[in-house]
Amino acid sequence: ETGVTQTPRHLVMGMTNKKSLKCEQHLGHNAMYWYKQSAKKPLELMFVYSLEERVENNSVPSRFSPECPNSSHLFLHLHTLQPEDSALYLCASSQVSSANEQFFGPGTRLTVL
Amino acid sequence: GQQVMQIPQYQHVQEGEDFTTYCNSSTTLSNIQWYKQRPGGHPVFLIQLVKSGEVKKQKRLTFQFGEAKKNSSLHITATQTTDVGTYFCAGANDYKLSFGAGTTVTVRA
Repeated sequence: ETGVTQTPRHLVMGMTNKKSLKCEQHLGHNAMYWYKQSAKKPLELMFVYSLEERVENNSVPSRFSPECPNSSHLFLHLHTLQPEDSALYLCASSQVSSANEQFFGPGTRLTVL
Repeated sequence: GQQVMQIPQYQHVQEGEDFTTYCNSSTTLSNIQWYKQRPGGHPVFLIQLVKSGEVKKQKRLTFQFGEAKKNSSLHITATQTTDVGTYFCAGANDYKLSFGAGTTVTVRA
């Protein structure tokens, strides 16, 4: 499946580093999402962009900063992360309403040392 | 806020047996969706149920949406090793989709 791509697939960073996760969708969707998936926890919705505007921010710490320059691209900028931020970060896209099926990317496995 | 509870958290199944996973929402849903995540993979959409009491089948998988549109179930018959993974339900209300914690299925050959 290449509808939603994410880079990098794996990332190891120190707590003082700055890095960015990239997501690109080729499905013509106009809503994009960032989720965090930790071991033994439900999928946590972090951010929602609909028609390139942020419509939801689920109390995510400011060390995570999303950016959606257009309907096909989504970034998650990371700064001064903590070890507990280590997780699988999944990007998804859908037609404008979140009530529609979402297509997930393969995820970025992030490890914070 | 909307909460979606899913049980059981783990399901260990003998190959060839049947099992069911259940999903319950604290609020009435506009639709419910089911996703499967294979080990090391990402969630993949399986199906969406919209109507009260709706039942849909995909080969050995049977999905049901409750009459009150607050609960759903996934029943798998004759479990195979290819069924391993985590099955998530996701309840949709207005514009928001809330995922359950998932049922992780392992199969004994």
